[in-house]
Amino acid sequence: AAGVIQSPRHLIKEKRETATLKCYPIPRHDTVYWYQQGPGQDPQFLISFYEKMQSDKGSIPDRFSAQQFSDYHSELNMSSLELGDSALYFCASKRAGGRETQYFGPGTRLLVL
Amino acid sequence: AQKITQTQPGMFVQEKEAVTLDCTYDTSDQSYGLFWYKQPSSGEMIFLIYQGSYDEQNATEGRYSLNFQKARKSANLVISASQLGDSAMYFCAMREGYSGGGADGLTFGKGTHLIIQP
Repeated sequence: AAGVIQSPRHLIKEKRETATLKCYPIPRHDTVYWYQQGPGQDPQFLISFYEKMQSDKGSIPDRFSAQQFSDYHSELNMSSLELGDSALYFCASKRAGGRETQYFGPGTRLLVL
Repeated sequence: AQKITQTQPGMFVQEKEAVTLDCTYDTSDQSYGLFWYKQPSSGEMIFLIYQGSYDEQNATEGRYSLNFQKARKSANLVISASQLGDSAMYFCAMREGYSGGGADGLTFGKGTHLIIQP
């Protein structure tokens, strides 16, 4: 079965640079979530989109923005990167009105030097 | 206050034994959902089981079952006949409020690191 696709899988950036993470949800899933998991930490919810509109907002820094496009893929844009942004970034998707389960992608591992 | 509490940072269990991972939650919502995810050392988050607050039966998925005690606000994961491949980090998570067409983010506990010994 098709899963959530995230790209890139690994990313190395310098401080103050920008990064863009991409997420392609499972086909027919219209809801996308972004999570950040620091080393040894639990995942923290950042932001979500339903039908291309922002739906819920968690602990997303102002330096980060995200959007969902007409084909339901989503991008997380991160600017002025800090060392503390080094983390595993997950995208998850589900189909509204379907099963409750959020299915996670493999994650993008971001390292800020 | 912690929304999700997992009191066992680490557990060692013998292969083939049953395992219970504890999870308690805190919410004032009537409608909520509880999830368990497995995270192996490779990093991916694997969905295991889901329990809705209105579900009267405990959820089961193969070797996984969820012991849901609503009055006590606990949602323990039970793994029957543990296997070496069950060694991983296990997270309990909660979705609060009415989901419907919305997209409520999950709140995770700190996790339990389970190690299965041969």
